[in-house]
Amino acid sequence: SQTIHQWPATLVQPVGSPLSLECTVEGTSNPNLYWYRQAAGRGLQLLFYSVGIGQISSEVPQNLSASRPQDRQFILSSKKLLLSDSGFYLCAWSHRGRNTEAFFGQGTRLTVV
Amino acid sequence: AQKITQTQPGMFVQEKEAVTLDCTYDTSDPSYGLFWYKQPSSGEMIFLIYQGSYDQQNATEGRYSLNFQKARKSANLVISASQLGDSAMYFCAMRHRPQGSNYQLIWGAGTKLIIKP
Repeated sequence: SQTIHQWPATLVQPVGSPLSLECTVEGTSNPNLYWYRQAAGRGLQLLFYSVGIGQISSEVPQNLSASRPQDRQFILSSKKLLLSDSGFYLCAWSHRGRNTEAFFGQGTRLTVV
Repeated sequence: AQKITQTQPGMFVQEKEAVTLDCTYDTSDPSYGLFWYKQPSSGEMIFLIYQGSYDQQNATEGRYSLNFQKARKSANLVISASQLGDSAMYFCAMRHRPQGSNYQLIWGAGTKLIIKP
């Protein structure tokens, strides 16, 4: 069966520090991969999605970047965090080319102080 | 433009009663999919139910059913016999495919459902 792992679960980082959130998927190949951000009490905002290794589409210009070094690995990064980067970050995957649901990781609650 | 609207920011429902969560959508795509997700306080997003735009019958999954009214562009979630564990945020989402791009999910703002004992 397919599983998705996202870590860390919580993170407190000072302003100006770098960020690296990692997400891996097991039990499937060639997945679509997504990074979402959720502000407190709000809906989800798509940040990045990827249809293959090295193929990243950015939905919202911002202080963040994403990379996909391996088929089932998706990394969210920042060189210098801002206070506004605080939020709940969710990684998700879906089957390639099928109109099916997305499966989510447990999420990372990031607080920039 | 594609859009999902959930007009109920919060709802209180007595345990064991049925509850309907509203979702309306706007799209110009002839083919699309509609999803409902549950997000408990732990933060995990849990898939509940899916409705394809060409599906003839309303989707059902256990206590969840989707009241799909295509002409009105609504896809309301119905939870029968609500339980305390149903208390959570509920999100409606729509899958569409921008031209030259891959499938993406568009999300509503969510409805916070609280089940009262």
